[in-house]
Amino acid sequence: GNSVTQMEGPVTLSEEAFLTINCTYTATGYPSLFWYVQYPGEGLQLLLKATKADDKGSNKGFEATYRKETTSFHLEKGSVQVSDSAVYFCALSDLTGGGNKLTFGTGTQLKVEL
Amino acid sequence: GAGVSQSPSNKVTEKGKDVELRCDPISGHTALYWYRQSLGQGLEFLIYFQGNSAPDKSGLPSDRFSAERTGGSVSTLTIQRTQQEDSAVYLCASSLALNSGAYEQYFGPGTRLTVT
Repeated sequence: GNSVTQMEGPVTLSEEAFLTINCTYTATGYPSLFWYVQYPGEGLQLLLKATKADDKGSNKGFEATYRKETTSFHLEKGSVQVSDSAVYFCALSDLTGGGNKLTFGTGTQLKVEL
Repeated sequence: GAGVSQSPSNKVTEKGKDVELRCDPISGHTALYWYRQSLGQGLEFLIYFQGNSAPDKSGLPSDRFSAERTGGSVSTLTIQRTQQEDSAVYLCASSLALNSGAYEQYFGPGTRLTVT
C-alpha cells in the first residue's frame, strides 16, 4: 500500500534560519506529491505540489523536488519567518488504485522564534 | 469564490447518539472527500465520491460510518452509535474531476466532534 513518512516534530528554529522537513514515500504506482500546511486555528491549505519526477514545486519561498530515485519530497525554505509557524503535512495521491485520495504523513510542527 | 464549507463547526454528543456532519463543496467540483484528523491516527481518508460513480468507502473504519452525496453536491457523513474513539476533526475536501489533471483538493475548516 501507500505510505508517507515525515520527520517527527516539533522543529524549533530562529527567524531567518534554513528549514528542511524530510519526507519519503512508498507508493504502488506513480504518485503526485504535495505539501499541505495548517496554520493555527485554520484549515489545511495546499502549499505546493509536484506531479512527476524531477518537478520542483514552489510557493511562498518554500520548495520541494520530486525525487523518484530516493522516493523523497523534502520541504525546504532558505529563511523562515515567525509567520511560517504551522504544522506541515507531506502527502501523496496515487491514481493507480483508483480515486484521488490523499495519504498523509503524520505532520511536522514548525515553531519559528524571534 | 466560496470555498468548502462544513457544518456544524463543533459538535458535542453523548456516547451512543447518532450525528450528521454536512459538507458543501466548491461549486463545479465533482469529486468530494471525507478525512478524519485525530491525535492518535493523524489524517486518515474515509470516503470519496466522484460524479455518479460508486463511492470509494475503503477508509470507513466501521459500519457505523456512512456517507451520501445528494445531487452531486452536498454530502452528509453519518456516524451511528457514536463512541469516544470517534472524537476527531472531520474534514471535507473537494476537487475537479480526476481526468482534468487538476488533483488539488481544497479543504473545509472541519467539524470538531467530541463524544462524551
